[in-house]
Parts: sequence; structure tokens; C-alpha cells
Amino acid sequence: NAGVTQTPKFQVLKTGQSMTLQCAQDMNHNSMYWYRQDPGMGLRLIYYSASEGTTDKGEVPNGYNVSRLNKREFSLRLESAAPSQTSVYFCASSEAGRRGGSDEQFFGPGTRLTVL
Amino acid sequence: GENVEQHPSTLSVQEGDSAVIKCTYSDSASNYFPWYKQELGKRPQLIIDIRSNVGEKKDQRIAVTLNKTAKHFSLHITETQPEDSAVYFCAASQPGWDKIIFGKGTRLHILP
Repeated sequence: NAGVTQTPKFQVLKTGQSMTLQCAQDMNHNSMYWYRQDPGMGLRLIYYSASEGTTDKGEVPNGYNVSRLNKREFSLRLESAAPSQTSVYFCASSEAGRRGGSDEQFFGPGTRLTVL
Repeated sequence: GENVEQHPSTLSVQEGDSAVIKCTYSDSASNYFPWYKQELGKRPQLIIDIRSNVGEKKDQRIAVTLNKTAKHFSLHITETQPEDSAVYFCAASQPGWDKIIFGKGTRLHILP
């Protein structure tokens, strides 16, 4: 099992450009998450999806959109990138929400995004 | 909403000594408290967790304690080793939530 995979690993954008970060998991998890990690700010939840077909805002959703394409895939889109969105982005998945499921979150390797 | 505060932000201890990281949470409905470790350049990984029906949990050199009345929980690492150097995150979640809220992290340095 590959676990949680993310593409790309690195990306440099210019202000105003758009891009989509891809995430996939092969653990048959119901729940998937997007976080951003900035120095001194910890892991902040952008959006999450408790099941296929549902998405909810987290702590810092402004400037982002998400799509839960199917049970395996959860993408994060930046429509018009801003320098404030320079960060490391982590996708995660868990069994949370499933009866008897574990709350442990499994993280992908991260995407380092720089917006100039 | 839930708010998780974590202290200290940076901690340096001599190899072999103990390290303690403390977290407080704001919402008494929270009942699940995991700890994640993130080594430099790597992804966060769960190292231990505790639920509110338990006051303490131990796994080899690491332990977590929970005080529901005071709404705080702590991570204890004994006999620290160089491989314990990392950033540690505490978090909290509630029944019916599918998400967890993280603290800002503690960078632990193990000094030789």
C-alpha cells in the first residue's frame, strides 16, 4: 500500500496563477483532510471531507476550493494564488466517522508551494 | 470552537533527561487527545493518543496524562535520545467530529 500520496512535491507559482494539488489514499478511508503548515503556526485545517460527496470548511478556507472526486481522491485548488498562500500543504486521511474506526490521521508527504 | 494551546514552543533537554510538553483545550466536550511527531522534512505521525475515560497512557518511553477538570494534557518522554529531536503536536477532537484541532507545536532539541 502506498498510503497517502500527493502531487506535486514542489511548486512555484506567480501571484494570480491557479493550480490544483492532488491527493489520493488507498486505505479505503472515509475522511480526508487538507492542512497548511507555516512556521510557528502548527497544522491548520483548510477543508475536510467526512465522506464521498461531502466537504466542510476548516479553520482557514478562504482562497481555496476542494473536490472529493471519489472515495480515494481529494483535491485542493487555488484559483488565484497569493504570496500569503506560500506554505507546506499536507493531505491526510482517516477512518474517523466510520463505526469502530480509528481516529488516527495518516499524512501524505506534503507539497511545498511558493507564490512569488 | 475548540482552541488548543501548546507550551513551550521550543524545548532543549540533555540526552537522557526527561521532556514534558503541555497542552490546554477550551471545550469540555473534547474527548480525544492525540500526539503527533514530525521529524525534519517528514510528515506528521501519530505516536500516542488518549481518550477522556483514561487519566494516563504509557507506551515504552512516552506517556500522556490527562486532567479533564483543568482541561489540560501532557506528553512525557523519559530517557530522551537523539532520535526524539522533532516537532511534537498535540490535538483535540470531540464526539461526532471527523476532524481534529492541532496545537502550534513544540520543537524538541535533544542535546548531546
